[in-house]
Amino acid sequence: DSGVTQTPKHLITATGQRVTLRCSPRSGDLSVYWYQQSLDQGLQFLIQYYNGEERAKGNILERFSAQQFPDLHSELNLSSLELGDSALYFCASSASATDTQYFGPGTRLTVL
Amino acid sequence: AQSVTQLDSQVPVFEEAPVELRCNYSSSVSVYLFWYVQYPNQGLQLLLKYLSGSTLVESINGFEAEFNKSQTSFHLRKPSVHISDTAEYFCAGGGYQKVTFGTGTKLQVIP
Repeated sequence: DSGVTQTPKHLITATGQRVTLRCSPRSGDLSVYWYQQSLDQGLQFLIQYYNGEERAKGNILERFSAQQFPDLHSELNLSSLELGDSALYFCASSASATDTQYFGPGTRLTVL
Repeated sequence: AQSVTQLDSQVPVFEEAPVELRCNYSSSVSVYLFWYVQYPNQGLQLLLKYLSGSTLVESINGFEAEFNKSQTSFHLRKPSVHISDTAEYFCAGGGYQKVTFGTGTKLQVIP
């Protein structure tokens, strides 16, 4: 158990819909990262927050957004969903940007 | 710009044989290097990391990696693999404020 929790574990929705994925970091970790993992694209870094502020952006689509709240939990919002958005979405947390990242179990999103 | 390259997408190896998973990095700033492992249907977890000091780092399950500054490499090795080592391995490199992951290498251990 990494100490990072993600909800929900599975999500099935239709194209065009909007979903929110939630992540609670390990106690004391200020950095939160979001990743997308799919068979064709592999592991893709989406976005990083540090203590509530956006710190780095990766291959995140404009239809996707994220935020980190004062209690340090984070949410990833995916809108206008497409079939290609079906993937595993991982959240990770770390004490600082270059410390070990601890990964959650992931949310499996299926877009039908 | 920080980049991490894993040269092999898949590596098949027989059980009890040695294995090397290759990783090269590029960076113009201070370097932190990591290997993560992802077992089937699980999230990634840290295998080992190099921050400073001894260039050879070891994990608790027999893997080791050597930081080679002149060759900008951080290859992962194990002298004798087990079936349970079947997983995907990710190399990652950190510079100031950011960590970059490689594309992953799938290690398939053949009985």
